Amino acid sequence: GIQVEQSPPDLILQEGANSTLRCNFSDSVNNLQWFHQNPWGQLINLFYIPSGTKQNGRLSATTVATERYSLLYISSSQTTDSGVYFCALAFNKFYFGSGTKLNVKP
Amino acid sequence: DTGVSQDPRHKITKRGQNVTFRCDPISEHNRLYWYRQTLGQGPEFLTYFQNEAQLEKSRLLSDRFSAERPKGSFSTLEIQRTEQGDSAMYLCASSLDQNTEAFFGQGTRLTVV
Repeated sequence: GIQVEQSPPDLILQEGANSTLRCNFSDSVNNLQWFHQNPWGQLINLFYIPSGTKQNGRLSATTVATERYSLLYISSSQTTDSGVYFCALAFNKFYFGSGTKLNVKP
Repeated sequence: DTGVSQDPRHKITKRGQNVTFRCDPISEHNRLYWYRQTLGQGPEFLTYFQNEAQLEKSRLLSDRFSAERPKGSFSTLEIQRTEQGDSAMYLCASSLDQNTEAFFGQGTRLTVV
């Protein structure tokens, strides 16, 4: 079956630091999305990125479909960036990784 | 449009009771998905619909679980004879079509006591 692996599982940063989260997947990409799960459990859309690079403020993402990975960059991290980040691969339904739990300390 | 809406947000029920959750997708979205998430885990797929047709059900969806999407609009997820292991966050999502961007609701947190 389709496998989605995220790394690292946990990440602790000092406010202002930069970070890179990685998502490896086992199959070709129809759609790949990055989500941030807020403290109340809702999944917030960050990027819809089957290929290429996108930027939104301090966040950017790159998907290299031929090499089956995607990266989420967070620059100048803030405490509000804390939470769990998920990538999900679409192949009829969505296959989720196990997430990266980010803790940004003031 | 206000996005995907789920009701209720929280539900506490006694073991053995039946519960029903509702999901209202973004209008004109043809695909609707149900996922379940337990603490520390990623969301697990339960089922999805294309309009009113239920196209796939996970093996996680035992006989006690049933989902419907009458007329291809809102969807309901019913759990019969709830067990403590059913305690989880139940997430609903919708997308315009196959493999297009999905949007999730706030979730329904179920606690079975």
